[in-house]
Amino acid sequence: DGGITQSPKYLFRKEGQNVTLSCEQNLNHDAMYWYRQDPGQGLRLIYYSQIVNDFQKGDIAEGYSVSREKKESFPLTVTSAQKNPTAFYLCASSTNRGGSNQPQHFGDGTRLSIL
Amino acid sequence: EDKVVQSPLSLVVHEGDTVTLNCSYEVTNFRSLLWYKQEKKAPTFLFMLTSSGIEKKSGRLSSILDKKELSSILNITATQTGDSAIYLCAVAGGSEKLVFGKGTKLTVNP
Repeated sequence: DGGITQSPKYLFRKEGQNVTLSCEQNLNHDAMYWYRQDPGQGLRLIYYSQIVNDFQKGDIAEGYSVSREKKESFPLTVTSAQKNPTAFYLCASSTNRGGSNQPQHFGDGTRLSIL
Repeated sequence: EDKVVQSPLSLVVHEGDTVTLNCSYEVTNFRSLLWYKQEKKAPTFLFMLTSSGIEKKSGRLSSILDKKELSSILNITATQTGDSAIYLCAVAGGSEKLVFGKGTKLTVNP
């Protein structure tokens, strides 16, 4: 079945440690997105990528990094510079055909906590 | 700065009630407004409303876009416990990004 797979479901980070969250999609979507969700805060955009080997900062990119080496994959690294990483992280993808309006589809998320 | 405001933030009803959730927005070059339902994990897509499609309906759920008032409502009739979720409103403007509201947490009690 086509979909978006995020792993792991739960992740614990030690002080000063970088951790990487995986996001893989087999929907043949061009665009991929990373969001952070905190209780009562809705979804906030961290990074997004419209095409392979290109990505842009979202509204809260500080302390995070991404790569887009393959169309199917958009991993997110939470660096030690992110002082408050505890949150629910959601990855999404959508088609991006010349600016057409298409909804984003989401993975099941990764819940990150500090040890 | 683009902004999306949802109200109420939280709502508790009994099974069988009808509910109306609100979403208002300020966005440059509006393209579309989307509604999602989030239970425990992934938000699932419900509707997308655009200038050429201002009303959508699926079963007990319906949504209307009011471009003059810069707002949308999501109606759920004959609510069931399975409708309990966070309902997210998002708007696409001139950029390729979606701007999300904080969501409305709906609880339907038996």
